[in-house]
Formats: sequence, C-alpha cells, structure tokens
Amino acid sequence: EPEVTQTPSHQVTQMGQEVILRCVPISNHLYFYWYRQILGQKVEFLVSFYNNEISEKSEIFDDQFSVERPDGSNFTLKIRSTKLEDSAMYFCASRIQLSSYEQYFGPGTRLTVT
Amino acid sequence: AQSVTQLGSHVSVSEGALVLLRCNYSSSVPPYLFWYVQYPNQGLQLLLKYTSAATLVKGINGFEAEFKKSETSFHLTKPSAHMSDAAEYFCAVSDAGGTSYGKLTFGQGTILTVHP
Repeated sequence: EPEVTQTPSHQVTQMGQEVILRCVPISNHLYFYWYRQILGQKVEFLVSFYNNEISEKSEIFDDQFSVERPDGSNFTLKIRSTKLEDSAMYFCASRIQLSSYEQYFGPGTRLTVT
Repeated sequence: AQSVTQLGSHVSVSEGALVLLRCNYSSSVPPYLFWYVQYPNQGLQLLLKYTSAATLVKGINGFEAEFKKSETSFHLTKPSAHMSDAAEYFCAVSDAGGTSYGKLTFGQGTILTVHP
C-alpha cells in the first residue's frame, strides 16, 4: 500500500543552523501539508501546498520557513535559522484531490535544536 | 475558526471493555471530522472519517464514531478493547467545504491504556 515517507527520522541541529526536512508524498496525490507537534502539545497546521504554490499557511509559518516541491516527488520544509522552540515532531501529509478529504501522514521527523 | 476538544487526556480500560473517547468540535461551516491513531514511534493513521454522509461511521480495527450535530460531538467507540488498541487517539476537524485547502485542526489527543 502506498505511503508517505519522511527523512530523516531524527535530526539534531544547533541553534541558528538551516535544516531541510524531506517528504515523499503518495505519488498521485495533489495536496501536501506540513504539521508539527511540540512535545506534549497538539498537532498544529503549518502550511498547505497545491499546484506548486502555498495555498494556506498558519501564523507559525513565518519568514524562517519555506516549502518546495523541487522535482515532482519530494516535498521539503526548510527552516532557515533554527530556534530552540522549533524542536518538535514534523509531519508531512498528502491528499489525493479536493473532493477526497482525508490526509495521509508520514511517520514524522523529530527535530531537536540544541 | 474551528476547534476540537477531546475530553480526557488519558483513558484506561480493561481488555474486553467498552472504549469511549470523547470529541467535541466547533466549526462555522459544515465540518468534516476524522479520528487518527498514533502508535508509539509511528505517524498518524486514519481510523475513520465523517464527510456528511451517514452519521454513524465505521472505521478500521472495529472502531466507529457517531456524528451528532445537535451536540457538536463525534465520539469514538469500540465495543471490546484489545491490548493492541493502546495508543494515542486524535480527533480532527476540517472545513474542506469552505475556503481553506482542507487543513486539519486537531484536538489535544487522548492516550488509551488497555490493561489485562
């Protein structure tokens, strides 16, 4: 069964460094999302992406964040200058089309900023 | 704006007992509702969904949920708990019928413990 994959499973970085989290959505899906979950808190929406552009973003998704679908299969989240408070589990999700409402999630990348 | 409240951050049941995980939502447009399960060190797996068809929705692993508009609830139930049901469960709402591109708003999660 097709699934969303994410790499790496765990990333440790120093404050101020750039990180890129990678996702491979399910191949025929058209809508892509990033969410994050800070330890002990809710899963929070970051950004949605469709037709090679951001369709919606949350207040969390500031200028330090960017997303890209560089090659038609990968979907990346970049954090330009990481802060301690960026430490969280980051989930990628994809959805096949607008009329199909369920999203399929990857296993997540745990980002630890030291 | 949408929101989800899950009553009870921890629920503990005996194996074979009824599982009831509570979820209440708030939405300004007709909602689409989901339950996801997260096993340790894994991602979020879709259990079931409500998208304005039947109000009683059946999902995987014997779970079901009933959409009650008058109570703004979407509680998750399973008649007989199994040890393998131990996990964290998340209720989520989407306004896919509105102007958003279907972002999910999650509740805070309920950790289900099943003891022998």
